[in-house]
Amino acid sequence: DAGVTQSPTHLIKTRGQHVTLRCSPISGHKSVSWYQQVLGQGPQFIFQYYEKEERGRGNFPDRFSARQFPNYSSELNVNALLLGDSALYLCASSFEGVDLNEQYFGPGTRLTVT
Amino acid sequence: RKEVEQDPGPFNVPEGATVAFNCTYSNSASQSFFWYRQDCRKEPKLLMSVYSSGNEDGRFTAQLNRASQYISLLIRDSKLSDSATYLCVVTHTGGFKTIFGAGTRLFVKA
Repeated sequence: DAGVTQSPTHLIKTRGQHVTLRCSPISGHKSVSWYQQVLGQGPQFIFQYYEKEERGRGNFPDRFSARQFPNYSSELNVNALLLGDSALYLCASSFEGVDLNEQYFGPGTRLTVT
Repeated sequence: RKEVEQDPGPFNVPEGATVAFNCTYSNSASQSFFWYRQDCRKEPKLLMSVYSSGNEDGRFTAQLNRASQYISLLIRDSKLSDSATYLCVVTHTGGFKTIFGAGTRLFVKA
């Protein structure tokens, strides 16, 4: 079975631009979560979606938004990029909500903002 | 104070050693607990869930102490391949959030 997939794998953007990151969960998983990880730190929770609805949100500005589609895939959007948004963006899927089930991570999208 | 705290290490141990990691959490509403491992520049991978009764998977043993709000991971007979960062993870229903610790770095030497 295919694991969690993310696209693109690497991305270079300029300050002020917009970016869209994509994630496809493991088949049968209904929940997708997004995380930001900077070097030397653990992943920081951004959003959780379950059955196409937002169930949780971390302490990130409104420039960050996401959505989940009927096929359970998800997009993370970041507007007005800042240098500090440079990080590894991880997507994780789980069968139900993260409070009940283990999460499985994709390989991540490495975003560099110049 | 961070919601989930881990000793950042690094822990440098010889092959065959036993090593223990601790993790404390501050939110008493925390519901589920996990250990993940992360290799350099790779995604985190689930190592094991942590149950109130404790659980064991081969050389790995995880324990949860709800009264003191900490979880632990014990690795016996360390292998070179155990070298990685070990992440403590806590989730709680109240905010549907998942909190990762900053991770503990482990180096196992020949």
